[in-house]
Amino acid sequence: EVQLVESGGGLVQPGGSLRLSCTASGFTFSSYSMNWVRQAPGKGLEWVSYISSTSNNIKDADSVTGRFTISRDNAKNSLYLQMNSLRVEDTAVYYCARDPAAFNPAAFDIWGQGTMVTVSS
Amino acid sequence: AIRMTQSPSSLSASTGDRVTITCRASQAISSYLAWYQQKPGKAPKLLIYAASTLQSGVPSRFSGSGSGTDFTLTISCLQSEDFATYYCQQYYTYPRTFGQGTEVEIK
Repeated sequence: EVQLVESGGGLVQPGGSLRLSCTASGFTFSSYSMNWVRQAPGKGLEWVSYISSTSNNIKDADSVTGRFTISRDNAKNSLYLQMNSLRVEDTAVYYCARDPAAFNPAAFDIWGQGTMVTVSS
Repeated sequence: AIRMTQSPSSLSASTGDRVTITCRASQAISSYLAWYQQKPGKAPKLLIYAASTLQSGVPSRFSGSGSGTDFTLTISCLQSEDFATYYCQQYYTYPRTFGQGTEVEIK
């Protein structure tokens, strides 16, 4: 079964750090680009970050540039999001999502179940 | 960033109804448009990509159309399991952007 499972969420104080993980199974992880998407409580979806299959291309939303870093370890079938200098407005469910783009842009076809990050004092 | 605007923000409908949701991009995105369904407490699910291509396993009562800046999602005969929130997304360029969502509620 094709699956993505996020972990690492929790409660953190403003200014703190957290590292999210996303573990893939059921497909060749190293062949796919990946994304992080978040959803604040009661709000819509916000794309956060993108990483290509070989990590040679990375893009971030302006709202997280300089604070969040996406990375991956293809040997471990894992995607990561290092979140530093966290703000109250970063509170959200964070989803990892598979991006099947090869030569052309593509929609996100597989999503994890999400992990909740709460930034509060 | 490309702004995606959905209408309506919410709608009430009955089982068996035909429902149409529209999505407008602030600039042309060709057919790089996807529709997702999200139920409460669950992850989004891809329904349609390339504006009109049904994702594998998605019922044929769902259909999409449009290109350029104006797109529609149609549910031809609403079923009980279709009550959810629907989002459009452009993947023409970065940052990827989503519409604000359309909540389909039971009348």
